[in-house]
Amino acid sequence: DAKTTQPPSMDCAEGRAANLPCNHSTISGNEYVYWYRQIHSQGPQYIIHGLKNNETNEMASLIITEDRKSSTLILPHATLRDTAVYYCIVRLGRYQGTSYGKLTFGQGTILTVHP
Amino acid sequence: GAVVSQHPSRVICKSGTSVKIECRSLDFQATTMFWYRQFPKQSLMLMATSNEGSKATYEQGVEKDKFLINHASLTLSTLTVTSAHPEDSSFYICSARLPPGGADGYTFGSGTRLTVV
Repeated sequence: DAKTTQPPSMDCAEGRAANLPCNHSTISGNEYVYWYRQIHSQGPQYIIHGLKNNETNEMASLIITEDRKSSTLILPHATLRDTAVYYCIVRLGRYQGTSYGKLTFGQGTILTVHP
Repeated sequence: GAVVSQHPSRVICKSGTSVKIECRSLDFQATTMFWYRQFPKQSLMLMATSNEGSKATYEQGVEKDKFLINHASLTLSTLTVTSAHPEDSSFYICSARLPPGGADGYTFGSGTRLTVV
């Protein structure tokens, strides 16, 4: 799986949008960008994923650049409960056979949402 | 959605004893499960991959005789830390690969905080 680079930490004011960047310059054509987050002392939680197009769900939006070498996770109205470590992972999609393999976690970005 | 139940959430054991951690898929069959370890302020590190009915595959540097993994059924995988030492104190997390359908390929347990005294 391609390696990702994220800033170690970011701050955001409650109610504002949190924009978390991720660089994945070595991503290959059949690899997806996945985002997970881990709230302190809990297991990781799936947020969103995408291949080429921008994606939105009830939790967040994912913006992927046209060259696919970077992406941004957007939490539109951050709350205190969004304080967590956010992991950007690039890997094969789940429908690409049983060989889509294991998740490799980088260091992630510690997002702190303050009042 | 698909849920993985992990127990216990916290355990304290004496040095030299063994501890078993269970990971159950509640509403789906998990042919593949993963075990991670996470030290304070560090990321998750994959320890091993377990497949139902076969031997687990361990990552480099992980002692298979110390971390025994059993995946005897499609809904249960266990990790046993044998002869635990204080340096084994960590946060252990299991993950299951989801069957086709749904938004993502993996779901995670809530983790087990192991403290060896």
